[in-house]
Amino acid sequence: GAVVSQHPSRVICKSGTSVKIECRSLDFQATTMFWYRQFPKKSLMLMATSNEGSKATYEQGVEKDKFLINHASLTLSTLTVTSAHPEDSSFYICSARGQPVGDEQFFGPGTRLTVL
Amino acid sequence: AQSVTQPDIHITVSEGASLELRCNYSYGATPYLFWYVQSPGQGLQLLLKYFSGDTLVQGIKGFEAEFKRSQSSFNLRKPSVHWSDAAEYFCAVGSNSNQFYFGTGTSLTVIP
Repeated sequence: GAVVSQHPSRVICKSGTSVKIECRSLDFQATTMFWYRQFPKKSLMLMATSNEGSKATYEQGVEKDKFLINHASLTLSTLTVTSAHPEDSSFYICSARGQPVGDEQFFGPGTRLTVL
Repeated sequence: AQSVTQPDIHITVSEGASLELRCNYSYGATPYLFWYVQSPGQGLQLLLKYFSGDTLVQGIKGFEAEFKRSQSSFNLRKPSVHWSDAAEYFCAVGSNSNQFYFGTGTSLTVIP
């Protein structure tokens, strides 16, 4: 199957700083990428959907100025958590779909963010 | 409204025993249905999916699931569980626009 990578796998930062998480499709063109947030013992909550070259569409309740998403190429999307606070600590997972993989979403391994 | 319900938060089974994880969904259109497995600290791995056709779908690692439209269910089964199956299992429903809705997950513990 298609491979999606995320970098870094873990990041610890101080409160007030910004953190960038990368999501890459390694062997297909990701026309659409999705960012999810997963709290402990909870389901994945979709944060936003981004189409290559377009602005991301954010789910209700997700602050677009805090969670900046860029999808500038067919293989890379980035999520930047700006002015991070401890409550932003979570597991962030991206997924991607595109060509030639079709309708299926392929998930990255996730990034564990800890804000001190 | 679209939603997925996994009624069992946690299940414990003995190694070698059979397993069934329940999933019920509410979806306004023809659903695409998925089961994913997540090991601790890891991303999601697709076990199987149903788009159309035969309602009994086979997946990886010996898993299967049956789509029952009348019951709005897509239960996951395995005839004989292995210790390595211990993980978190998520059911998801989506559409061809790929708006996914996930259940809250079922944590599986396998005892020797």
